[in-house]
Amino acid sequence: NAGVTQTPKFQVLKTGQSMTLQCAQDMNHEYMSWYRQDPGMGLRLIHYSVGAGITDQGEVPNGYNVSRSTTEDFPLRLLSAAPSQTSVYFCASRDRWNTEAFFGQGTRLTVV
Amino acid sequence: AQSVAQPEDQVNVAEGNPLTVKCTYSVSGNPYLFWYVQYPNRGLQFLLKYITGDNLVKGSYGFEAEFNKSQTSFHLKKPSALVSDSALYFCAVRANNNDMRFGAGTRLTVKP
Repeated sequence: NAGVTQTPKFQVLKTGQSMTLQCAQDMNHEYMSWYRQDPGMGLRLIHYSVGAGITDQGEVPNGYNVSRSTTEDFPLRLLSAAPSQTSVYFCASRDRWNTEAFFGQGTRLTVV
Repeated sequence: AQSVAQPEDQVNVAEGNPLTVKCTYSVSGNPYLFWYVQYPNRGLQFLLKYITGDNLVKGSYGFEAEFNKSQTSFHLKKPSALVSDSALYFCAVRANNNDMRFGAGTRLTVKP
């Protein structure tokens, strides 16, 4: 039981490049979320999903896309990276009945 | 929309002394309240939660938190701090949907 797995752990992008941050969970959780963590700002919700095929925007969705084709996976796509997207990204999941979320180890992204 | 405030960026305590990390919240309806801890270069780990019932909730590693509805607060406490408690602590609130909002975080330093 690996929990929530994020890949890669580190990534450097050039402005304008695209990439996908991967997130997978093996707990059969329905709910999955993406957050970004910036100094002094805590964690801010980017997008979330309440089940396969269902996604919704969070607090800071601009510049990011998501999809949820399976229960296990919830990738986050940056279509055209900008320096403002330099951050640490966390994926989280929970099931319908448990209220606390389980977090991955994070992806540290730098856009130059 | 829900929000969380952690009024202290930094809390310093001596080992063996009691500690308090403050959190206030704003939410429509009944709140689900959480505390998470983050160690360097790690994801967030769940400490405790308040859903309903007793206002004093106990969690992992000897931490507890007191829910105060009239003051809209959910302060984290521990009777006797350890050096190993030094970390970044986040308070979070969630209403009925999946939109969990985090505070900016409080860095706790416990000195020997």
